[in-house]
Amino acid sequence: LAKTTQPISMDSYEGQEVNITCSHNNIATNDYITWYQQFPSQGPRFIIQGYKTKVTNEVASLFIPADRKSSTLSLPRVSLSDTAVYYCLVGDADTGFQKLVFGTGTRLLVSP
Amino acid sequence: EAQVTQNPRYLITVTGKKLTVTCSQNMNHEYMSWYRQDPGLGLRQIYYSMNVEATDKGDVPEGYKVSRKEKRNFPLILESPSPNQTSLYFCASSSTGQGSNTEAFFGQGTRLTVV
Repeated sequence: LAKTTQPISMDSYEGQEVNITCSHNNIATNDYITWYQQFPSQGPRFIIQGYKTKVTNEVASLFIPADRKSSTLSLPRVSLSDTAVYYCLVGDADTGFQKLVFGTGTRLLVSP
Repeated sequence: EAQVTQNPRYLITVTGKKLTVTCSQNMNHEYMSWYRQDPGLGLRQIYYSMNVEATDKGDVPEGYKVSRKEKRNFPLILESPSPNQTSLYFCASSSTGQGSNTEAFFGQGTRLTVV
């Protein structure tokens, strides 16, 4: 059972910043928050992971407030190639971290 | 290059004809797992393996078998495929339990059609 809630879809234009928020009210103390990207008919690809505050890499930033009940994936200056489904996941402590529990994800469409 | 390789990429088969989808990783990862992806249902875990000779059921194991005789390989076996197993399958591997603070690597997928 997925423990995250995300918007089903978002639209943007090239060059804009996109922020996708994920709700995870029941996140456990030792859970990490991870985001994956998936293109049609391809396997999910790891984007970024964090525990608290802010994490930044060459692709995205992840903002996590102090209560950790939500997180925001920020994609700077998106391009057409960023059109994909984005999944927010939290570590499933109930199963000893043996699985990735994927929700429905957010379908991002970037237009010219 | 770090990668997870699945074969075949596409397969059409008939009901009841045994088939195996292979998965191999070159990263010396302990953890491997299989997922299926269906429209409206998302990605669901079929089986996972913590290491050689250590496997366990995921959320939807019925109709599937796996084995882990070598660290790098984790084949998915359908002894008697049925049309409801028509799906897109992904193999994944990671260095620790998937779901913890680690990165999982996914294969390119196998699209299976059972007629």
